[in-house]
Amino acid sequence: GAVVSQHPSRVICKSGTSVKIECRSLDFQATTMFWYRQFPKQSLMLMATSNEGSKATYEQGVEKDKFLINHASLTLSTLTVTSAHPEDSSFYICSAEKAGTDTQYFGPGTRLTVL
Amino acid sequence: DAKTTQPTSMDCAEGRAANLPCNHSTISGNEYVYWYRQIHSQGPQYIIHGLKNNETNEMASLIITEDRKSSTLILPHATLRDTAVYYCISNFGNEKLTFGTGTRLTIIP
Repeated sequence: GAVVSQHPSRVICKSGTSVKIECRSLDFQATTMFWYRQFPKQSLMLMATSNEGSKATYEQGVEKDKFLINHASLTLSTLTVTSAHPEDSSFYICSAEKAGTDTQYFGPGTRLTVL
Repeated sequence: DAKTTQPTSMDCAEGRAANLPCNHSTISGNEYVYWYRQIHSQGPQYIIHGLKNNETNEMASLIITEDRKSSTLILPHATLRDTAVYYCISNFGNEKLTFGTGTRLTIIP
């Protein structure tokens, strides 16, 4: 199998607070993980690429100081939304590339609502 | 990544085969064709991928034309749970995926 989990699945926070989202590959190692964001009725948009033990690579227009990514192990990457604002409310999805394959497997997503 | 084009939406009767087309006329020789689907409010689910040869797994079959400019994903016996947005993506592997708008497949009872 190739199972990816995310925690939490849903979070509501106040404006100005920080929220951390975890992405774990449960039954495989992932040297590379990706973070996507999806707004209602839109497709997934890549935010950043995260490689284990190195700094993440951010897509154009994504603020690296606002969306902090840590990929400390081959099975865990975290995304921290700092000083969240209502416009950050979205569906955040991670994927993990299974080592030795060319295939990414996605987590179930985290729905963030900032009040 | 080569650009792919898919129909915006399709309907298919339950129990029938669902055939989802994808055009990727600018695909390069080393790019794979990947298919994912996204059921409402869930993360995308990997279905299948291929390079040149047709592929089959427990979920679907992938038919790639000889010139590799197009492909068809086949769900052999569609069920209501197959209702989802299906994404066709060309990719070299080991790199980010670029999602288009996909095809919204609705399975009709």
